[in-house]
Amino acid sequence: NAGVTQTPKFRVLKTGQSMTLLCAQDMNHEYMYWYRQDPGMGLRLIHYSVGEGTTAKGEVPDGYNVSRLKKQNFLLGLESAAPSQTSVYFCASSYGTFQAHYGYTFGSGTRLTVV
Amino acid sequence: GEDVEQSLFLSVREGDSSVINCTYTDSSSTYLYWYKQEPGAGLQLLTYIFSNMDMKQDQRLTVLLNKKDKHLSLRIADTQTGDSAIYFCAENVNDYKLSFGAGTTVTVRA
Repeated sequence: NAGVTQTPKFRVLKTGQSMTLLCAQDMNHEYMYWYRQDPGMGLRLIHYSVGEGTTAKGEVPDGYNVSRLKKQNFLLGLESAAPSQTSVYFCASSYGTFQAHYGYTFGSGTRLTVV
Repeated sequence: GEDVEQSLFLSVREGDSSVINCTYTDSSSTYLYWYKQEPGAGLQLLTYIFSNMDMKQDQRLTVLLNKKDKHLSLRIADTQTGDSAIYFCAENVNDYKLSFGAGTTVTVRA
C-alpha cells in the first residue's frame, strides 16, 4: 500500500520553463490537495479537488494549474516557472467530510528550485 | 479568520517533557490535529482531538484543548532523540480544508 506518491522528488528549472508534478494515491480518497511549504510560512494551499473532474483555487493559486482527470491522480502544472516558485511542494489526500478524523495523508514532497 | 499560530522553536533535554502550544481562530473547527514532519519527509498525522473533548491521551502524547481560549497543546512525555522534528498544528476550517500553523521545530539535546 503506497499511500501518496509524488514524482519527481527533486527538480531544477530555469526561469520560464514549464513542468508538471504528478501525485498519485491508492487509498480511494475523494479529496486531493497541493500545498507549498516555505520556511517560516508553514503550508499554503495552492489548489484542491473534491472529486474526479473537479478543481478549485486555494490561497496561492497564481502561476499554477491543476487537473484531476482520474480519481487517483492530481497534477500540478507550472506554465512559466519563476524564482518565487522555488519551494517544497506537497500533495495530500483525504476521505472527505464524514471521515475528517483521519486527517490528510501526505506525499514525501517535491523539492523544486527555479534559477 | 484562518490563522493558526505556534512558536517556531523549542529545545528540550532528552527524557524531559516537551510542550508545544498553538492558538487557532476558527471556533467552528470540528477537529484539531497535530502533524509531525521529519527531515526530508512529508507530514504524518500524529494525533487529533474532536472539538467536544478537553483532553486526549495516546501513549506518550497528551493533547489539551481549551476552546474558550482557542488554545491547543501537545505534550510529549519522556522526549527522545527520535522526537526531533517539526510539529504542525492544524484546524479544519470547513469540510475540505485544513489550515496549518507555521510549524514548531523541536530539537532534543542529550
